Amino acid sequence: QKEVEQNSGPLSVPEGAIASLNCTYSDRGSQSFFWYRQYSGKSPELIMFIYSNGDKEDGRFTAQLNKASQYVSLLIRDSQPSDSATYLCAVGGDSNYQLIWGAGTKLIIKP
Amino acid sequence: DVKVTQSSRYLVKRTGEKVFLECVQDMDHENMFWYRQDPGLGLRLIYFSYDVKMKEKGDIPEGYSVSREKKERFSLILESASTNQTSMYLCASLAPGQGVNQPQHFGDGTRLSIL
Repeated sequence: QKEVEQNSGPLSVPEGAIASLNCTYSDRGSQSFFWYRQYSGKSPELIMFIYSNGDKEDGRFTAQLNKASQYVSLLIRDSQPSDSATYLCAVGGDSNYQLIWGAGTKLIIKP
Repeated sequence: DVKVTQSSRYLVKRTGEKVFLECVQDMDHENMFWYRQDPGLGLRLIYFSYDVKMKEKGDIPEGYSVSREKKERFSLILESASTNQTSMYLCASLAPGQGVNQPQHFGDGTRLSIL
């Protein structure tokens, strides 16, 4: 059974600090890794995706992938109250269109 | 930008009814997906379709069927609605030939309540 694990939270971070969200996955054959943000009552929206080991930066967001340890993380710098949401990690395999989804981490940014 | 449109944001139906959820995308995408999302469980794949009239079961197909008569439209059907099908339903699409290495794009979701 392929699994993606996330701490459900809530993770509380002061405004302006760095928020660190983590995700581990069980399938060593996984090739693609996605972070989605989901506001309450809304649908998921893509934040970042990463395929290679290392860091990928986009504005205030950095995705980090470590395939040897089977984890992927998302860092949010200079956290804003508008970053308060649930962050979903999704992992893609090598042979089909199906993604394996984590249950999400709820992030709260405190002003 | 990809536009994925779900026909209803909120829907209330009764037990035993046949329920249709509609999803339309405007980018000529071949691949479309139906998920349900329940608190603490993440997204679970119900069905997906990789072409017109083609469909594959996901992780939880029981009690559901789908229809893909046109490329832009993917319908989810609850044959006989039950209370345990109360959930948020999300439709997504994926660009052609991209497989799992490209992100899926979601509609706004349909919050379905079965009474």
